[in-house]
Amino acid sequence: QQQVKQSPQSLIVQKGGIPIINCAYENTAFDYFPWYQQFPGKGPALLIAIRPDVSEKKEGRFTISFNKSAKQFSLHIMDSQPGDSATYFCAASIIGNQFYFGTGTSLTVIP
Amino acid sequence: DAGITQSPRHKVTETGTPVTLRCHQTENHRYMYWYRQDPGHGLRLIHYSYGVKDTDKGEVSDGYSVSRSKTEDFLLTLESATSSQTSVYFCAIRDSLDQPQHFGDGTRLSIL
Repeated sequence: QQQVKQSPQSLIVQKGGIPIINCAYENTAFDYFPWYQQFPGKGPALLIAIRPDVSEKKEGRFTISFNKSAKQFSLHIMDSQPGDSATYFCAASIIGNQFYFGTGTSLTVIP
Repeated sequence: DAGITQSPRHKVTETGTPVTLRCHQTENHRYMYWYRQDPGHGLRLIHYSYGVKDTDKGEVSDGYSVSRSKTEDFLLTLESATSSQTSVYFCAIRDSLDQPQHFGDGTRLSIL
């Protein structure tokens, strides 16, 4: 049973576009929601994370939007660049416990 | 990058053989994790450690064992490898439970 459902599986955007990746969860006890970025041949690297007491968090061109009532959260990449082409994973956990990862989204940004 | 080294980076072996993967950290972090990454499944936790000689099972632990005799090393063993264990294996470390996990660059394991 997938604890965190991620969509879409793949995404292609033009440079400057705003790709949006969505995740949904069922366990209302989750209280930590990170996003990881992974390049080929590398391990996932923490990009940005949010706790459920805020509805939005921005770090540079990356924004997490969080909807607690809908049990959904999403990653927005502003002014996307070819260097942002990577696989993105959302995750959820109860702080101090196991992380549950989404199935990943392969993003391609076309120059 | 967090000081995490996984070895080997690539391995090809045959069904039924034992395999040991090593994760070495230089950060002195207490918590260490082994994940496997497969298409359509994302990352799934195999085993984790919360201190020397302290380990516990994750969601996909069948067929795997682990050991941690030193803070810096966490070993993952496949006692008798099967083709279903072909995957990319990632080690992660964490300093404390309110901090994020940091991942190594993975071991690509192929079992023929």
